[in-house]
Amino acid sequence: SQQGEEDPQALSIQEGENATMNCSYKTSINNLQWYRQNSGRGLVHLILIRSNEREKHSGRLRVTLDTSKKSSSLLITASRAADTASYFCATWGGSEKLVFGKGMKLTVNP
Amino acid sequence: DSGVTQTPKHLITATGQRVTLRCSPRSGDLSVYWYQQSLDQGLQFLIQYYNGEERAKGNILERFSAQQFPDLHSELNLSSLELGDSALYFCASSTRDRGNYGYTFGSGTRLTVV
Repeated sequence: SQQGEEDPQALSIQEGENATMNCSYKTSINNLQWYRQNSGRGLVHLILIRSNEREKHSGRLRVTLDTSKKSSSLLITASRAADTASYFCATWGGSEKLVFGKGMKLTVNP
Repeated sequence: DSGVTQTPKHLITATGQRVTLRCSPRSGDLSVYWYQQSLDQGLQFLIQYYNGEERAKGNILERFSAQQFPDLHSELNLSSLELGDSALYFCASSTRDRGNYGYTFGSGTRLTVV
């Protein structure tokens, strides 16, 4: 069963613009992770934020977590055509597995 | 190259057949996870092994089985294949027996059942 739901399901922007993706989840978590998947390829881990953290940065990525609202957002600044991919949020609640959302497609037009 | 190796990359087989997918985890990783990705179901967790032992089971059909060998590589066996088993099958590995660290994914095996 899906835990996280990404929103919007698809986003199309121009190069240089910022892209914001949101993730909502249902149960309590230990951490939330974001992954990127290029078409037909494996998922690549981008960033992990723990439940006691509110914001984290990694290069052009900024992730926030609001545990009271059970939501997270991923911001990609100054987007590039190479950022075109599907993005997934995944939650870990202390059991053995990560639970992934259905993903959202980001298209960055040159 | 993520360090997680999956073979074969593509597989086309007929209904009713049996196939074996292979995964070699990143060096030093003891945990192996198998996921199935299809268009309508998204990424579904199948099963996890840690250092040779089964640790967690997800939505894995009885027709599917897996194991992790002493050298830590893992195999996912799919039998009595049906058209609906067509999907991308991913293996991922991690350093610890927990989701408290990111997973490293392989590039997947695309299975087509005809």
